[in-house]
Amino acid sequence: KQEVTQIPAALSVPEGENLVLNCSFTDSAIYNLQWFRQDPGKGLTSLLLIQSSQREQTSGRLNASLDKSSGRSTLYIAASQPGDSATYLCAVSQAGTALIFGKGTTLSVSS
Amino acid sequence: GAVVSQHPSWVICKSGTSVKIECRSLDFQATTMFWYRQFPKQSLMLMATSNEGSKATYEQGVEKDKFLINHASLTLSTLTVTSAHPEDSSFYICSAGGERSFDEQFFGPGTRLTVL
Repeated sequence: KQEVTQIPAALSVPEGENLVLNCSFTDSAIYNLQWFRQDPGKGLTSLLLIQSSQREQTSGRLNASLDKSSGRSTLYIAASQPGDSATYLCAVSQAGTALIFGKGTTLSVSS
Repeated sequence: GAVVSQHPSWVICKSGTSVKIECRSLDFQATTMFWYRQFPKQSLMLMATSNEGSKATYEQGVEKDKFLINHASLTLSTLTVTSAHPEDSSFYICSAGGERSFDEQFFGPGTRLTVL
């Protein structure tokens, strides 16, 4: 059974810092991996999608990498801003297509 | 990206009543939609897979008679919480994607259900 783990569970940083969020999964047979952002009481905002054949994806200050063989992904956020404060969720897709989510990393960026 | 809508965005109901939540793919067709539930400070847990024209597939521990799913068309799936109780209060989110397993899933904005 696929399990997705995110470390750390919570992170507080001052504005301007570069930071890395980690995601690991137990079964490397995935189709893709997605990173989402969720603000309190809100739905999900898709940030980046990495297909299993890809190594990384970039969007603005965000960069996500995927090492499928080792079951790891990282989300790199450059020059963090207070507006980046949210919970970041990692999810993988396997045969059967439903996404399996980690518990998330709650990020707080102070000004 | 594609757009998925949910209605209502929030609902408050009395214990024992039924509540229907709609999930629509606005600009694409989806033979499969997924329903998730999220309790406070928890991650999303898959409840069921909704298949157009056939019965939904429920995850272990999810009562199919309590959470009725109807996928009547390629753009609409509904989740009905029957005889709701306070413990059903949660955030319900649907998603839809393409035909292929590796397609991106697009999520609705979620429905906040509060049962008094």
